[in-house]
Amino acid sequence: QQPVQSPQAVILREGEDAVINCSSSKALYSVHWYRQKHGEAPVFLMILLKGGEQKGHEKISASFNEKKQQSSLYLTASQLSYSGTYFCGTEGDSWGKLQFGAGTQVVVTP
Amino acid sequence: ETGVTQTPRHLVMGMTNKKSLKCEQHLGHNAMYWYKQSAKKPLELMFVYSLEERVENNSVPSRFSPECPNSSHLFLHLHTLQPEDSALYLCASSQDLGLAGFQETQYFGPGTRLLVL
Repeated sequence: QQPVQSPQAVILREGEDAVINCSSSKALYSVHWYRQKHGEAPVFLMILLKGGEQKGHEKISASFNEKKQQSSLYLTASQLSYSGTYFCGTEGDSWGKLQFGAGTQVVVTP
Repeated sequence: ETGVTQTPRHLVMGMTNKKSLKCEQHLGHNAMYWYKQSAKKPLELMFVYSLEERVENNSVPSRFSPECPNSSHLFLHLHTLQPEDSALYLCASSQDLGLAGFQETQYFGPGTRLLVL
């Protein structure tokens, strides 16, 4: 079962904040976040593990609510370099397998 | 540069052609993956290899045939494809497969953009 991401797209001005959500209908062991710029490979940002702490990467942080089976990615004081499509990948009970969301396109304008 | 390369980067083929996509990882990883990425849709896992053995075939049509001759190389052989197979095909690798609750980070290549006419 693939996770559901929201919103599908967001447009920000430089310096603004945004939140991207990733929800699953199944119990999760972990959530992985990736960012993909146009024409490039998805790049790993961070993993959130069950029972783990909130993580951060530059001014991008994320949380994982195990009870709600949901993760949120926080883009704080966004920079132009934050533009891209953000994917969450969730791990349920199957080893070696991540289920990815459809992605959230983020555009940061000057 | 993530250490995973894919060739070609772009490919146009007719429905009767046979072609192959190549993936190479320079990270010393033991697990490799093929994904299909279509516009506005989630990444779809196609195949998973661990130590050159296929461990997952995610209901992929037989017109896609993977090959993993060693832990550094992964191929996807294509034949008699359909226009709906047009997509970005991504290869990824991870140190190992990981266990439930301890999923390894996957490192992606830049993908091959495939157009089937």
